[in-house]
Amino acid sequence: EPEVTQTPSHQVTQMGQEVILRCVPISNHLYFYWYRQILGQKVEFLVSFYNNEISEKSEIFDDQFSVERPDGSNFTLKIRSTKLEDSAMYFCASKGTSSYEQYFGPGTRLTVT
Amino acid sequence: KQEVTQIPAALSVPEGENLVLNCSFTDSAIYNLQWFRQDPGKGLTSLLLIQSSQREQTSGRLNASLDKSSGRSTLYIAASQPGDSATYLCAELIKAAGNKLTFGGGTRVLVKP
Repeated sequence: EPEVTQTPSHQVTQMGQEVILRCVPISNHLYFYWYRQILGQKVEFLVSFYNNEISEKSEIFDDQFSVERPDGSNFTLKIRSTKLEDSAMYFCASKGTSSYEQYFGPGTRLTVT
Repeated sequence: KQEVTQIPAALSVPEGENLVLNCSFTDSAIYNLQWFRQDPGKGLTSLLLIQSSQREQTSGRLNASLDKSSGRSTLYIAASQPGDSATYLCAELIKAAGNKLTFGGGTRVLVKP
């Protein structure tokens, strides 16, 4: 069964460093999303992406964040200068055109020290 | 502002008992509601998606209902098993809000053998 994959599973970085989180959505899906979950809190929407551009972004998704689909399979989230409060589990999700069901990856746990 | 609430935050039942999980949402313009399962430190597994035009959706031992007028969805899990122990999240989608999901805080379920 097709699934969303994410790498790495765990990333530790120092404050101020840049990180890139990678996702491979389900192959025939065209809508892509990033969400995050700070430990003990709700899952929060960050950004949605369709047709090579951002469809919507939350107020969390400021200038420090960017997304890219560098090729036909990967979807990345970049944080330019990480802060302690960026520590969270980051989930990628994708959706096809025939359903509103979003499929989530296993997540990348980002720890900023 | 969209708000999704899940009460109780935690629930413990003996094996074999039916589980009833509640989800409340404030936006009557809901397009669909998706239920997820999350195991500790893991990703989100989609269980059921129920569209606003539907009243119920079933998959095996799982049944989800949706009542737009009262702003509630309920997930029923019949004949619970220890393997059902996990956190269950509901998320609403408002089509006008760019297909982003707004999540509840989850109900952590423990099924005791």
